[in-house]
Amino acid sequence: GAVVSQHPSRVICKSGTSVKIECRSLDFQATTMFWYRQFPKQSLMLMATSNEGSKATYEQGVEKDKFLINHASLTLSTLTVTSAHPEDSSFYICSARRLGENIQYFGAGTRLSVL
Amino acid sequence: KQEVTQIPAALSVPEGENLVLNCSFTDSAIYNLQWFRQDPGKGLTSLLLIQSSQREQTSGRLNASLDKSSGRSTLYIAASQPGDSATYLCAVNTDKLIFGTGTRLQVFP
Repeated sequence: GAVVSQHPSRVICKSGTSVKIECRSLDFQATTMFWYRQFPKQSLMLMATSNEGSKATYEQGVEKDKFLINHASLTLSTLTVTSAHPEDSSFYICSARRLGENIQYFGAGTRLSVL
Repeated sequence: KQEVTQIPAALSVPEGENLVLNCSFTDSAIYNLQWFRQDPGKGLTSLLLIQSSQREQTSGRLNASLDKSSGRSTLYIAASQPGDSATYLCAVNTDKLIFGTGTRLQVFP
């Protein structure tokens, strides 16, 4: 199988703090990882695409300085929400794709609540 | 720009009914289409993936079809059960996944 682990599953933080979310491919090498955001009762929206060893590509309207993405290895990508505010509260989900495949494998998601 | 729409947005049915969920997309240049299930507050469970060269896929009580030329996919759920209650999302893959708006399904006993 292809397992993607996302951590933490839930985080509550104060406004102004930074939060880091990890996405790991446990049994395969992920050349590309994706980060999605889902607001209540809405669908998933792609935030950015990250390729190992290069800068992430952000979708229109997503602030790259606020959502820092690092994909330093073939099994780990991190999303850091900097200076989080209540409007950043959302469900964040990552996915990973193997080289040569067109299938994404999803993590279980992280629920971020900013007070 | 690829847009993915799902109809109906919500569905409430008694158990035992056969159901059809619809997904339409505007650009037929896709690699594949995937159906997911999402329970409240949870992540995604992949149900079926149809490659662009395929017409349908089946898994248990689920059958998904794909008509790429008309930009449509349907998810058929046979003999629905209360445990099928969830939100169903379709997503088209054009090198990145574009998700549909979802169908919230409730199956009552």
